[in-house]
Amino acid sequence: AQSVTQLGSHVSVSEGALVLLRCNYSSSVPPYLFWYVQYPNQGLQLLLKYTSAATLVKGINGFEAEFKKSETSFHLTKPSAHMSDAAEYFCAVNLNNDMRFGAGTRLTVKP
Amino acid sequence: NAGVTQTPKFQVLKTGQSMTLQCAQDMNHEYMSWYRQDPGMGLRLIHYSVGAGITDQGEVPNGYNVSRSTTEDFPLRLLSAAPSQTSVYFCASSYSAGSYEQYFGPGTRLTVT
Repeated sequence: AQSVTQLGSHVSVSEGALVLLRCNYSSSVPPYLFWYVQYPNQGLQLLLKYTSAATLVKGINGFEAEFKKSETSFHLTKPSAHMSDAAEYFCAVNLNNDMRFGAGTRLTVKP
Repeated sequence: NAGVTQTPKFQVLKTGQSMTLQCAQDMNHEYMSWYRQDPGMGLRLIHYSVGAGITDQGEVPNGYNVSRSTTEDFPLRLLSAAPSQTSVYFCASSYSAGSYEQYFGPGTRLTVT
């Protein structure tokens, strides 16, 4: 079965700094890949998804992610962090209806 | 358009009790799923359905039952609650399986004592 590994359970950046959240997946074939965000006491909201159309995917709120097949990675980036980006971020992989989420990375943004 | 709704928001059960978590969506989505969220473990898929009358097991199905008699509703049943089932449960739906965005409900926080 496929799996997802998110490197770093907590990431802290200063406001205006680059955000980089790491995600690696394991799958026998290229799966569908997603990044979701969860704000406190809420459900998850889709940031962006990879469906093989383009390796660089742009999402909401200025986030983007690049699919690198050779590295089995799908890292999430944002050039300049905003205080409102503080949340928990989940990488997920879907293969044959089997959806697997990573353990999550909590992003803190310092003023 | 209410999206995905879940009831109740909070529930406390004693070990051995049974209950049903309700989930409904008004977007005419074919695919619905249940997840549990535990600290440090992300979300884990319990059961899913690709359409009315069709359900299948996810990663952690033991102790849970589901049925899908209508497109709109996808209840999750705990047959005999155990402390290990203390968790936050999320229901989600999407137009179809695969690459489609899943829309999540607000969650149900369940405590089993």
